[in-house]
Amino acid sequence: QVQLVQSGAEVKKPGASVKISCQASGYSFTNYAIHWVRQAPGQRLEWMGWIHGGNGYTKYSQRFQDRVTITRDTSATTAYIDLSSLRSEDTAVFFCARDSIKDGEYRAKFDYWGQGTLVTVSS
Amino acid sequence: QSALTQPASVSGSPGQSITISCTGISSDLGGYNYVSWYQQHPAKAPKLMIYDVSIRPSGVSNRFSGSKSGNTASLTISGLQAEDEADYYCYSYTNSVFGGGTKLTVL
Repeated sequence: QVQLVQSGAEVKKPGASVKISCQASGYSFTNYAIHWVRQAPGQRLEWMGWIHGGNGYTKYSQRFQDRVTITRDTSATTAYIDLSSLRSEDTAVFFCARDSIKDGEYRAKFDYWGQGTLVTVSS
Repeated sequence: QSALTQPASVSGSPGQSITISCTGISSDLGGYNYVSWYQQHPAKAPKLMIYDVSIRPSGVSNRFSGSKSGNTASLTISGLQAEDEADYYCYSYTNSVFGGGTKLTVL
């Protein structure tokens, strides 16, 4: 069965970076995309970016473009998100989600989600 | 990435139907009709309810349906049940953004 398992909660100080992992299993990793979505406490879902599991193509939300890097390790069937220059407003739960790919682009069909990783930014 | 607007809240009684709108979907000459809807219960990961505007994934109740007209997509839930109470979000590929979310209350 398809599973996305994320790394555990993190506590970071302002200005630091955080790297979260999302290990996929139960499907062909290179034939799908992985998206990263975050949700601040009591707030809406925010799309951060995606990565093509096969060719590693990435695209980021303009809101995070200068601070976010999404990578993947196909041998480990794992995707990563790295967010730098953390501030208190970055305190949120981060989710990874699987998506289909068509014609090299994603389908906006986030059919499986990780369990979420809480990142707390506090001095 | 322009924002998508959803009503902050909607409510209905058990057995009734409700519709949640998602306005501001950008047009795309490529013809990609990729709009999806997600249900999120408190402290849970979102769940895919509708994709490609109107397609239900297997396992999702046929009480959930989606449509789109112009720059507005809609999610309709018929025969409301208590377990439908949740937050609902739209997502558009052409906007690359989620809507603001709608809290559904089943009275």
